[in-house]
Amino acid sequence: AQTVTQSQPEMSVQEAETVTLSCTYDTSESDYYLFWYKQPPSRQMILVIRQEAYKQQNATENRFSVNFQKAAKSFSLKISDSQLGDAAMYFCAYRSARGRGGADGLTFGKGTHLIIQP
Amino acid sequence: DAGVTQSPTHLIKTRGQQVTLRCSPISGHKSVSWYQQVLGQGPQFIFQYYEKEERGRGNFPDRFSARQFPNYSSELNVNALLLGDSALYLCASSLLRQGANEQFFGPGTRLTVL
Repeated sequence: AQTVTQSQPEMSVQEAETVTLSCTYDTSESDYYLFWYKQPPSRQMILVIRQEAYKQQNATENRFSVNFQKAAKSFSLKISDSQLGDAAMYFCAYRSARGRGGADGLTFGKGTHLIIQP
Repeated sequence: DAGVTQSPTHLIKTRGQQVTLRCSPISGHKSVSWYQQVLGQGPQFIFQYYEKEERGRGNFPDRFSARQFPNYSSELNVNALLLGDSALYLCASSLLRQGANEQFFGPGTRLTVL
């Protein structure tokens, strides 16, 4: 079974600075997808960024970028120019590409609570 | 377009009771997944339904069941409620069953079991 580990329960950053959230995962599969989701205090989960494991190029979405290290099974999220609206729980998630049985669902880490200091 | 909707928003039940939670996916989405999020944890996958058939199941007991209707809406049923079933139940819809396609989450139903 796949596992996702987020070792930082809480991170704090000054507004306009850069912060990196860590995520490692364990899998025996070679083809899979990785995601970062944001859950603001209102609870609705929002996709921030996604990465296909077969792509070597790191995904970027405006101020959000990832550092995907397949051999190390590491998938960190970098937020540049942090804004107050970035404050939320951030979840790293894994999804198998094979889609057999329970592999269809997302496997989430425990999350990192990101605090933005004005 | 409306996002994923869930009802009710909050629910309080007692141990041993049964509960039904409802989810309406985004129009055109045929895949619905259910997740349980216990306070302080990440969501855990319960079920995925695609084209009205169960396509995936997480590590949950048989007390949990679900179904998908012809209009792709879905219900999650939990029988013989335990205190440990208290959680936020999230529904997510997506266009396709697999791949990197985005899952759109609803606001959730907060279930409290007393």
